Amino acid sequence: GENVEQHPSTLSVQEGDSAVIKCTYSDSASNYFPWYKQELGKRPQLIIDIRSNVGEKKDQRIAVTLNKTAKHFSLHITETQPEDSAVYFCAANLSGGSYIPTFGRGTSLIVHP
Amino acid sequence: SAVISQKPSRDICQRGTSLTIQCQVDSQVTMMFWYRQQPGQSLTLIATANQGSEATYESGFVIDKFPISRPNLTFSTLTVSNMSPEDSSIYLCSAVQRSGGELFFGEGSRLTVL
Repeated sequence: GENVEQHPSTLSVQEGDSAVIKCTYSDSASNYFPWYKQELGKRPQLIIDIRSNVGEKKDQRIAVTLNKTAKHFSLHITETQPEDSAVYFCAANLSGGSYIPTFGRGTSLIVHP
Repeated sequence: SAVISQKPSRDICQRGTSLTIQCQVDSQVTMMFWYRQQPGQSLTLIATANQGSEATYESGFVIDKFPISRPNLTFSTLTVSNMSPEDSSIYLCSAVQRSGGELFFGEGSRLTVL
């Protein structure tokens, strides 16, 4: 089955800095890579996703890049703000048919004002 | 989008008892899942809830401990049976509206077993 590794487990930055979270996956057949944000005590929510037919996707301050050859993808947050503080999970799965995403272990992002 | 409601949101239970968590989705979904999240940990898939048939369990989870029902497209229950303190965790219901689409989560049910 799929195995997703996520680094770092904790990331501390100053407000305004950029943050990068990296994930690797093992199954070359995976073609859908979502990122979820979970604020303290809240449910995980999708913030951005990318499919294997593109290499990069941006949504305002958030971007995700995908390197299919190396089987890794990254989340980039620019101009971080205190409200970006949360746990971020990457996931990978094969879309279509049976949809069962495999999640990374999560990254706790702390943005200091 | 899909809105998922779970209840109870939290409960404190005695060792050896069982608790059933209910999950209601406001629209029809193709697949429903149950996850467990230990404090500060990732999301561990317990099982896929199949409509009208037995759930599909992941390695390490069994039907006798975590019986699951899904009588229709929008409702599912998870029972945590014969609870022990090790079952203390957050249990999350989730669903996807179409295969390969966004996974939506309920708010979770925080279980504490004494």
